[in-house]
Order: sequence, then structure tokens, then C-alpha cells
Amino acid sequence: GAVVSQHPSRVICKSGTSVKIECRSLDFQATTMFWYRQFPKQSLMLMATSNEGSKATYEQGVEKDKFLINHASLTLSTLTVTSAHPEDSSFYICSASKPRGKGNTIYFGEGSWLTVV
Amino acid sequence: DAKTTQPPSMDCAEGRAANLPCNHSTISGNEYVYWYRQIHSQGPQYIIHGLKNNETNEMASLIITEDRKSSTLILPHATLRDTAVYYCIVSLLNTDKLIFGTGTRLQVFP
Repeated sequence: GAVVSQHPSRVICKSGTSVKIECRSLDFQATTMFWYRQFPKQSLMLMATSNEGSKATYEQGVEKDKFLINHASLTLSTLTVTSAHPEDSSFYICSASKPRGKGNTIYFGEGSWLTVV
Repeated sequence: DAKTTQPPSMDCAEGRAANLPCNHSTISGNEYVYWYRQIHSQGPQYIIHGLKNNETNEMASLIITEDRKSSTLILPHATLRDTAVYYCIVSLLNTDKLIFGTGTRLQVFP
């Protein structure tokens, strides 16, 4: 079964509005989660590192005021796309690491399709 | 993180072994080789990882060359459901932050 879960799986929003995507670790605590974005036929691009109890760390070129990340608990990180525009339409994916045998294994959520109209 | 090079696409007949190569010539001594795959419109799925010894699990086998500059992921009996993009990533163990390259699009045909 799923180890990391995202919600919603699909969302359509109007241009100028904000939309929140949730990422949950289901049976383990994750002090760090990661957010990726993927455009059609392209690879995953790391956007930011979500840190429980502290500010997120953003990759170069990612606007922190545009993509708000909150990691308020050890099992939940949220990504809010503010003032969404059509060019923000993309597949957003989160990941978290779970201790498993030798070292951690990174698991990914199912992804969230965002369409801005 | 070391960069990886993979062929953009490969085909494999159903039931045959799929051998997916990956070059990582700049890998450092403490970096692991990870393999993930992404089926269309889903999040990436963990397959296997290793440091220098060959590894096998229920999904696949990972063969790493002695100099660690390349590796091969082997799906022993490919099925249509194995059609996906396969990503080879090198990273420090427990780093958790994975940087994806372009991957190999594997098409399994009947």
C-alpha cells in the first residue's frame, strides 16, 4: 500500500486563486519532505525541501512567495501555489524517506495534477 | 551529486529480460546508485539501490561494475506493466534529496 499519500490527486483552479496540496507520510514520521514539479514529457524537478518546524529550503529559481510550504507536523507537509497562473499547471509530487533495512528509502506520493484555467 | 547518463529509450519483448544501463563515471566512493521508475501519471516507485555489490530483490537485480562507473538494472522477465521511465540516480545514503536526470523510457511490447 501507499507509504506517502498526496491530496488532491487532481485539482482545477481559476487563475489568480490559491490552491493547497497535502503530502502525508502514512505510517512513519518524516522530519524532511521534498516537493517536485514535473511538466509533461519532462523529468522531475526538485522545488524545495520541507523541514518540520522550520522554514523550507528552496532550489534556485523557485519563488518562495509563490510556492508556500508548511511542514507543521511530522507526518504532513503542504504546498500552496499562490496566485496561480496557467503556467503553474503541472504535476506536483512529494517525497519522504522511511527507515528501511540498510539506510532510508525515499518514497514518493501519487502526485497531484494542477490545472489552472 | 554525480551525474548519470542513460539511453533515452529502449524496447523489450514481453517475457524477456530488460537490461537498462547507466553511466555514472564521476560517482564518489560514498555515493549509492538508486533506481526508480515512473509509470505514466504516477509518482516514482523505488526499485533498488546499491553501493558496490550486486543487489537483488523481488523486483529487479542491480549489477554495479567493479570500478563503479556504470551499472545495469535487470528486470528478469519484463511484463507490459513494466513499461515506464526508469531513472538511475546517484546520491549519498540517507541524503533523501534525489536529483532526477532524463531517464530511460522502457517500452515492453507483446
